[in-house]
Amino acid sequence: QVQLQESGPGLVKPSETLSLTCTVSGGSISSQYWSWIRQPPGKGLEWIAYISNSGSTNSSPSLKSRVTISLDTSKNQFYLKLTSVSAADTAMYYCAGYDHSNYLRHWGQGTLVTVSS
Amino acid sequence: EIVLTQSPATLSLSPGERATLSCGASQTISVYLAWYQQKPGQAPRLLIYNVSSRAAGIPARFSGSGSGTDFTLTISSLEAEDFAVYYCQQRYDWPFTFGGGTRLEI
Repeated sequence: QVQLQESGPGLVKPSETLSLTCTVSGGSISSQYWSWIRQPPGKGLEWIAYISNSGSTNSSPSLKSRVTISLDTSKNQFYLKLTSVSAADTAMYYCAGYDHSNYLRHWGQGTLVTVSS
Repeated sequence: EIVLTQSPATLSLSPGERATLSCGASQTISVYLAWYQQKPGQAPRLLIYNVSSRAAGIPARFSGSGSGTDFTLTISSLEAEDFAVYYCQQRYDWPFTFGGGTRLEI
């Protein structure tokens, strides 16, 4: 059973960089695509970026200039960096992964990141 | 960007009733549509993928249909644990997008 766990600071100051880690257990990170999804409080879901098992990436056009997604196969982890954050980036951040269906079958529990001074 | 519009925003029904949730796409997305269920304080859960295929462990009372731009999630007979928010999602074209959600309430 594939399990995902997000980790990282819960509070980030405006203009600084948000950095999150997703640790994958119960499966190889080399076997699927991995994504970051966010959800502002009380609102809907936004797909931030994905990374393939070969390392190719794609980011939301609205966030592209600020987003970096990467992975470390030796640690079975993948990462999100979001630069120049503002209050609008306050959200629950989920890491998620595909299964054979090529949809988001596996999800972390989410980590709430608040942007505030 | 492909916009997914879900209706209704809120659906009020009783256990045992049939629920019909709609998702409309701003352009054709072929069969590349999924449905997710999200309960308070939880991550979304994949229910249906490629319009009509049930994900592993999903009860048969959940079914999906549609093609092109109009899609439907049907819950044949509501159980207490089905009251939640439902999102549709397309993977036809990047950026992959979600609908705004339908809240299914008792």
